[in-house]
Amino acid sequence: DAGVIQSPRHEVTEMGQEVTLRCKPISGHNSLFWYRQTMMRGLELLIYFNNNVPIDDSGMPEDRFSAKMPNASFSTLKIQPSEPRDSAVYFCASSRPLGLAVTDTQYFGPGTRLTVL
Amino acid sequence: QKEVEQNSGPLSVPEGAIASLNCTYSDRGSQSFFWYRQYSGKSPELIMFIYSNGDKEDGRFTAQLNKASQYVSLLIRDSQPSDSATYLCAVRGGSGGGADGLTFGKGTHLIIQP
Repeated sequence: DAGVIQSPRHEVTEMGQEVTLRCKPISGHNSLFWYRQTMMRGLELLIYFNNNVPIDDSGMPEDRFSAKMPNASFSTLKIQPSEPRDSAVYFCASSRPLGLAVTDTQYFGPGTRLTVL
Repeated sequence: QKEVEQNSGPLSVPEGAIASLNCTYSDRGSQSFFWYRQYSGKSPELIMFIYSNGDKEDGRFTAQLNKASQYVSLLIRDSQPSDSATYLCAVRGGSGGGADGLTFGKGTHLIIQP
């Protein structure tokens, strides 16, 4: 089975530009998570969806960040306008119910390394 | 605010020895606990999870959970150079319904010396 797919794998952009990151979860998984990883702050949850519905976006740092999940197989994370402090690796993860919620496990995509100049 | 604390290391362990990685968490409502391994430049890879007090073994790995002490550990037996990586402890809390995002520690860098 294909794992979580993210694109692009690397993105270099200039401050002020719009950035769109894309994610395709594992087929059959109904929960999708966006995380950001930096040296200073580690791995942080930004937002997650359950059955395409945003459940918790409290980790989204600012209004410049937005995320959508128009269907079960696709999600986007958009930053507009981008700033140098947004430079990080952005991971998408997905999970599916295994019967007991406490056993739900998340599988990570390869990540998108974003550099904002 | 949920917090997960790990010693950043590096933790250096000779090949063949037992590596012990520790993690504490602040939210007593946390229900399940995960260990991920992350190689440099790669994505986190799930090693195992635990949600009941006590020990859980999977091959060379043993996870230990003590909810009263809010403490989780991972033991790696017969450590191999390929085990050298950053180990991330993650915690999930909240209600049992639906999915919850994970709160991660910053990770412990483990080095297995040949």
